[in-house]
Amino acid sequence: NAGVTQTPKFQVLKTGQSMTLQCAQDMNHEYMSWYRQDPGMGLRLIHYSVGAGITDQGEVPNGYNVSRSTTEDFPLRLLSAAPSQTSVYFCASRGNRGGSGTEAFFGQGTRLTVV
Amino acid sequence: GDSVTQMEGPVTLSEEAFLTINCTYTATGYPSLFWYVQYPGEGLQLLLKATKADDKGSNKGFEATYRKETTSFHLEKGSVQVSDSAVYFCALNQKTSYDKVIFGPGTSLSVIP
Repeated sequence: NAGVTQTPKFQVLKTGQSMTLQCAQDMNHEYMSWYRQDPGMGLRLIHYSVGAGITDQGEVPNGYNVSRSTTEDFPLRLLSAAPSQTSVYFCASRGNRGGSGTEAFFGQGTRLTVV
Repeated sequence: GDSVTQMEGPVTLSEEAFLTINCTYTATGYPSLFWYVQYPGEGLQLLLKATKADDKGSNKGFEATYRKETTSFHLEKGSVQVSDSAVYFCALNQKTSYDKVIFGPGTSLSVIP
């Protein structure tokens, strides 16, 4: 019963490098999202997807790309890492059968440091 | 736009003390309301929820009542334990845009023996 799996758990990047954060869920959920968590700011939505082939921007999308080629996977790409992207990143998924009251399931997070 | 406000932390309590974490929201209509908890080093997990006015969500001794008249969803527990030390997030989701969940800033709770 894996739920939402994120990799890697920790990553250090140099400014200007690119990388992909992986997220996979095995619950056949339609909705998937990426958040970043910064001290005192809670969780801010980066990008989200309502199904395979459909993505949209959240509150803080600049510097990040996403794609959703399958229901299970929703990778987040950092195009050219900057120190301002140092954060903890969470992937989440939700089904749509319970409407707005449906629970979101979160991965364990990726702690990213950009130096 | 929609938003969630929580009391500032950190909150430090002695074991068996009473806990209240305030949460108020700004939203049109009748959103669903949630409390999520994040234990150290982990992702968020659902603690409780309420989907309509006057509903009470409860779980693990925690309770919160959906108050439409005061746009609030305060979290309470009668007797906290050391194991309740975590960050607590209030959140809402609109029925018209249920693909996006809006979170408050989180309240850190430390319970000391």
